[in-house]
Order: sequence, then C-alpha cells, then structure tokens
Amino acid sequence: KAGVTQTPRYLIKTRGQQVTLSCSPISGHRSVSWYQQTPGQGLQFLFEYFSETQRNKGNFPGRFSGRQFSNSRSEMNVSTLELGDSALYLCASSLKGFDGYTFGSGTRLTVV
Amino acid sequence: GIQVEQSPPDLILQEGANSTLRCNFSDSVNNLQWFHQNPWGQLINLFYIPSGTKQNGRLSATTVATERYSLLYISSSQTTDSGVYFCAGNSGGSNYKLTFGKGTLLTVNP
Repeated sequence: KAGVTQTPRYLIKTRGQQVTLSCSPISGHRSVSWYQQTPGQGLQFLFEYFSETQRNKGNFPGRFSGRQFSNSRSEMNVSTLELGDSALYLCASSLKGFDGYTFGSGTRLTVV
Repeated sequence: GIQVEQSPPDLILQEGANSTLRCNFSDSVNNLQWFHQNPWGQLINLFYIPSGTKQNGRLSATTVATERYSLLYISSSQTTDSGVYFCAGNSGGSNYKLTFGKGTLLTVNP
C-alpha cells in the first residue's frame, strides 16, 4: 500500500512569507500528526487531527495552523515566516492516533 | 508532560557487533514506539511496543512499562543500521502527542 506522502519535499521561502505543506496519509488512516524537527530542539509536536478535528496542539505560536479534510489529507500553514522556522516538517499517520505511526519523508523548509 | 531520556547519545560499532539502546521515561508511558531515522531524514517505525517483547529479524525490543523503560537490541549490526534511533511515547488518555527522546546516533563501521 502507498505510504504517507508529503509535498513538497523542499521549499525555500523568504522571511514574512507564508507556506502551506501537504500530507496524504495511508489509506484508511484517520489520524494525522505533524512534527517539527530541528537540530537544537529535536522532534516537537505541532498538532494532531482525527476525522477533521484537531485533538491536540503543541506549544507553537498561532502562526502555525493546520486542518484536515474529509479524505483525511492534512495541510499545515505557517504565516509570517521567521528564520527560526527553518526545519524538517514531518507528518505521520496512524489508524487511531495512539497506535503505530508511519511517517512521511518530510518537507525541508528553509527560510532566508 | 512526560520526559524521555535516551542512552547512550552516541554509539560507534564495528560491523557484526551487538548493541543495546535504552529509553527511560519520567512517568508511566503508553504507546511506546521505536524509530530509525536514516541519513536522508526518513523516520521508519521499528516497533510499536507498549509492553512486552517483540522481535523483527536482527532487531528486538522490550518495554517494561511498570518500570518506565524500554530497550532496543540490535544484533549483528550492519552499516545500513547507521542513523539515529528515537523512542517516543505518550501519557495516554486523550493525549495524542508523542514525546520523543533526543535520540541515539549509531555509526556502524565496515
């Protein structure tokens, strides 16, 4: 079966711009979680969606937002980009949100 | 939230050697998982192991939830095992956030 698909793979943006990242989960998985990975902070939880509802949100500013569609695909948006937003953004899907995660290949965002 | 501590932070092995990676949790943990991140950044789920022992080829994992730790065993290591190994878990209930450790960087030399 197809894995978790994240697009785009690489992105370069300028400070102040906004960006939208996409994640298509494994077919049948209804939970999608997003994580930010940086060398200094490691893997940090952004948010989790299940059946279009955000169930948990991490400690990130309101510039970070997300949503999930009826087909379980999810998007996250970062507005007013800052240099510190440069990171690898990973999404993971699972059946229920607390069982085994499958991660996508990630989107590497560089803010210049 | 729970704290996750992994040890050792770095490990260098010769091909064919065995190793044990450890993950300690500050509080009771649910839904414990082990991941391997390859040099290209891809995170691969190795085990979903909330308790007990599982084996998959040369890898096996044991979680003792009551004592708040988990172990990952790698036997007969290969150069392709190189990368960063993460453990992660959550506190259960309505908490769907996985907390990750800082990882163990494993280098297997030929």
